[in-house]
Amino acid sequence: EVQLVESGGGLVQPGRSLRLSCTASGFTFGDFAMSWVRQAPGKGLEWVGYIRSKANGGTGEYAASMKGRFTISRDDSKNIAYLQMNSLKTDDTAVYYCTRGSGWTDSWGQGTLVTVSS
Amino acid sequence: EIVMTQSPATLSVSPGERATLSCRASQSVSSNLAWYQQKPGQAPRLLIYGASTGATGTPARFSGSGSGTEFTLTISSLQSEDFALYYCQQYNNWPRTFGQGTKVEIK
Repeated sequence: EVQLVESGGGLVQPGRSLRLSCTASGFTFGDFAMSWVRQAPGKGLEWVGYIRSKANGGTGEYAASMKGRFTISRDDSKNIAYLQMNSLKTDDTAVYYCTRGSGWTDSWGQGTLVTVSS
Repeated sequence: EIVMTQSPATLSVSPGERATLSCRASQSVSSNLAWYQQKPGQAPRLLIYGASTGATGTPARFSGSGSGTEFTLTISSLQSEDFALYYCQQYNNWPRTFGQGTKVEIK
């Protein structure tokens, strides 16, 4: 069974950094691109970005509003994907989901809440 | 960026009735369109990909159609567990984009 478990969320002040982790199990992690999607409270879904598998270059793509502030990385030896978030803004407050794939995504974690507030 | 527009925002339907949800793309996305269902407090769940292919575990009452810029999700006979939020998402272009969602509520 595919499982994705996010961690690392919490309360952070504007301008600070936070790193989220997504621990995967139940599939060959290194074979898949991994994505992050977020959802602000009471709002819709927003794609943050994704990282390709190493076989496809291991590079990332990001939504314009997050490019330069957010970085996705992966450690295939540990089956973990990371989302490094810098210069956080109050508008970044959301539940952040880890998902498998870069197009349609068939597996989602339960999400981790990031609250950016002073 | 491709803008995805869903209609209606809210759909009130009685159990057992048919529900038709629409999704329009601001430019062609070919058949690279997915539908997700989300219930309160839960992560989204993939229902349909490739505009019309049911994901594993998707009940047969859910069907998707369309290509290019116009897409439809049909629920043939609404069950109590189908009352939820539904999102369409294009994956033809970067950035991937979602519609704003259609809430299916009990009439």
